[in-house]
Amino acid sequence: GEDVEQSLFLSVREGDSSVINCTYTDSSSTYLYWYKQEPGAGLQLLTYIFSNMDMKQDQRLTVLLNKKDKHLSLRIADTQTGDSAIYFCAERLPSGNTPLVFGKGTRLSVIA
Amino acid sequence: DAGVIQSPRHEVTEMGQEVTLRCKPISGHDYLFWYRQTMMRGLELLIYFNNNVPIDDSGMPEDRFSAKMPNASFSTLKIQPSEPRDSAVYFCASSRDSQILTQGQYFGPGTRLTVL
Repeated sequence: GEDVEQSLFLSVREGDSSVINCTYTDSSSTYLYWYKQEPGAGLQLLTYIFSNMDMKQDQRLTVLLNKKDKHLSLRIADTQTGDSAIYFCAERLPSGNTPLVFGKGTRLSVIA
Repeated sequence: DAGVIQSPRHEVTEMGQEVTLRCKPISGHDYLFWYRQTMMRGLELLIYFNNNVPIDDSGMPEDRFSAKMPNASFSTLKIQPSEPRDSAVYFCASSRDSQILTQGQYFGPGTRLTVL
């Protein structure tokens, strides 16, 4: 299957950590991605993780991958109001240069 | 680099009219994707091209939709005739074959289409 599932909404207080979760069904996925969409804009690649890794850290962002459970998460430390956006999880299947399979996106609202 | 360029940014039209959306991919990118985003269905892949050739158009909703890529720097998505249910934000994205794994796809700012 090629479904990527995400919860639709998340609300956090400024300064707290945000954790956005994603599950995917295709265990043969090679790369997994997090994209950010700010209001009125297109999607921007935030970070990616290769399937042989279980963690990747990039400044305030931490990506955790649990291949056994097909679970991907994005943790944003010290969440700021500028982090308010829609976050999309996406997977790349191994069969050639196929397009990414995107989840429906999680809308993160940061309360000051 | 200017990034992926889409025009127009906003389009309001009446039901039954023809709508043409335009995209200029990043120079040197050989993959081009058209997506549609709505609240109900999220982000849907409509069609994608490799080296100007359509590879998979299974996401195109119906015959009213057509897409062309006459050269490496230009693509159009046409809806004829348009219907209110076509109202959405349409994104174009591009990627370079050799960098597709670690850099994903680059998205344009989108065209917000409203069909009255």
